[in-house]
Amino acid sequence: ETGVTQTPRHLVMGMTNKKSLKCEQHLGHNAMYWYKQSAKKPLELMFVYNFKEQTENNSVPSRFSPECPNSSHLFLHLHTLQPEDSALYLCASSIGTALSTDTQYFGPGTRLTVL
Amino acid sequence: AQKVTQAQTEISVVEKEDVTLDCVYETRDTTYYLFWYKQPPSGELVFLIRRNSFDEQNEISGRYSWNFQKSTSSFNFTITASQVVDSAVYFCALSEPSYNNNDMRFGAGTRLTVKP
Repeated sequence: ETGVTQTPRHLVMGMTNKKSLKCEQHLGHNAMYWYKQSAKKPLELMFVYNFKEQTENNSVPSRFSPECPNSSHLFLHLHTLQPEDSALYLCASSIGTALSTDTQYFGPGTRLTVL
Repeated sequence: AQKVTQAQTEISVVEKEDVTLDCVYETRDTTYYLFWYKQPPSGELVFLIRRNSFDEQNEISGRYSWNFQKSTSSFNFTITASQVVDSAVYFCALSEPSYNNNDMRFGAGTRLTVKP
């Protein structure tokens, strides 16, 4: 257990559905991240939040909409997804956003399948 | 251009064998950080090590050791006397603070299978 939980662990959705992924960290961290892990590509950073403020949007399509209501919770709202969006979505948290000193702790991921 | 190359897609060894996972990186920065993460079947990435570009000392932690060589831009990871529990996907990553302090560039990963 890394102290970062994600729900659901598996999700199957159609292209017209709307769903949300949830991440919660119990580590007292201030920064949270969404990553996408596809079968054919290296792990990609999607969004970064620091003290609830979005500090990074890595050119992610608008069909992915993040929300960070507080430093412990992070959501990823999904709508009108494409089959190529099928992937493992990983959440991470860290004390701060300086990777030189702040270690990221990852959740187990949500395996998303878009039909 | 790919910043981090893990040329070995899959490696299979028998328990108690030593195994080395290769990582080659590319950067123009003088200050950068290198990482190794382990991803077991449960999914979460587990941090193993961070190394800054100014520290070329090799590191040993139990059965794990890391060999950082700036001359060849490599940061290789060796597991001594491998165990079945070492079976996982291992990722090498690079952070370049002058480019983006928030971002790590990950390699494609090496899937290690340790057979009993």
